[in-house]
Amino acid sequence: KQEVTQIPAALSVPEGENLVLNCSFTDSAIYNLQWFRQDPGKGLTSLLLIQSSQREQTSGRLNASLDKSSGRSTLYIAASQPGDSATYLCAVVYGNKLVFGAGTILRVKS
Amino acid sequence: DTEVTQTPKHLVMGMTNKKSLKCEQHMGHRAMYWYKQKAKKPPELMFVYSYEKLSINESVPSRFSPECPNSSLLNLHLHALQPEDSALYLCASSRAADTQYFGPGTRLTVL
Repeated sequence: KQEVTQIPAALSVPEGENLVLNCSFTDSAIYNLQWFRQDPGKGLTSLLLIQSSQREQTSGRLNASLDKSSGRSTLYIAASQPGDSATYLCAVVYGNKLVFGAGTILRVKS
Repeated sequence: DTEVTQTPKHLVMGMTNKKSLKCEQHMGHRAMYWYKQKAKKPPELMFVYSYEKLSINESVPSRFSPECPNSSLLNLHLHALQPEDSALYLCASSRAADTQYFGPGTRLTVL
């Protein structure tokens, strides 16, 4: 059974800081890994998708890495802004399902 | 267009009511999904449709009945729900095991 864990559960940082969110998974037989953002009461917005054969993906201030062998992924956010405040969810495509972590609640203070 | 739309945005229903949730996408995706999300929890997969056929049912109670009338549309029919079924119901679509695109969700309250 695939289990996805995200650390930390919550994070509060001042505006402008660079930060790292962590995701780990127990079974390395994943098809790909996806990072999402969710604002309170809203749907999920896809941020980055990393295929299992890739090591990282970048989009603007976001960079996600994947180390399948160790079962880890990180999401790096550069120069954080108050608008980045949200819950960040990591999910792996395992078999034909998306398995989510519990998320990291990020608050960026102005 | 990378949009998945869901209607209604909010729904309040009694335990004896019958209602339906609707999801639509026009990205040509052949996989569509229903998820249930309780407060402060990650989404939980309920159903997967692949090429308009039900491919995964995560042991969801029969009071939830999915339907995929065509490749762009996904419905979730609700009947005799319980208060604990109150949640945010999310629809998503994708090409095979590619990026899943999520709709904004329907906030369901069962009285």
